Amino acid sequence: NAGVMQNPRHLVRRRGQEARLRCSPMKGHSHVYWYRQLPEEGLKFMVYLQKENIIDESGMPKERFSAEFPKEGPSILRIQQVVRGDSAAYFCASSPTGGSPLHFGNGTRLTVT
Amino acid sequence: GESVGLHLPTLSVQEGDNSIINCAYSNSASDYFIWYKQESGKGPQFIIDIRSNMDKRQGQRVTVLLNKTVKHLSLQIAATQPGDSAVYFCAEMLRTGNQFYFGTGTSLTVIP
Repeated sequence: NAGVMQNPRHLVRRRGQEARLRCSPMKGHSHVYWYRQLPEEGLKFMVYLQKENIIDESGMPKERFSAEFPKEGPSILRIQQVVRGDSAAYFCASSPTGGSPLHFGNGTRLTVT
Repeated sequence: GESVGLHLPTLSVQEGDNSIINCAYSNSASDYFIWYKQESGKGPQFIIDIRSNMDKRQGQRVTVLLNKTVKHLSLQIAATQPGDSAVYFCAEMLRTGNQFYFGTGTSLTVIP
């Protein structure tokens, strides 16, 4: 039973480019969460999605960041025109229902040069 | 945002000793708590959870204690092993919420 799959594991982008991070939830999980983690810090909530719906995006920066979880395919976190401050580890988590434990992937480490 | 903090950023223990990792939270409306373990280069891994209608829950070698009066959560690891070395996070969810808030983490180092 595969866990939460994130790809790529490492992503290097130059300033101004776009970054696309993918997340396939665990089988049977329809709730997806994205978190960001800076070195030596905790995880900061970004967005919570269910299939085709954004439920809570209160942690998403107002500009350049977007997320989707289409009916078919993985959830995508998209960062446009990346800046150095976007460098971080981005973790995706999934759960079968809201309010149940989150199962995390191993993250995508984004480096902006 | 919510405040979920930890008393100590680092903790070193001898192999075989018991470890206690503490966590303070600020919102009395928090209803559900989880401890996660994160090893280097990996995502957080679920250890144990507890709901606000309980004050203690035990798993294999781990115990979580919840003191709602002082808004304090602790994770006890019995007979700590080198494989327990990791960063431990507590996470809380509000009764009316739909996301988990994470603390900064405590780095546990087990000395052989």
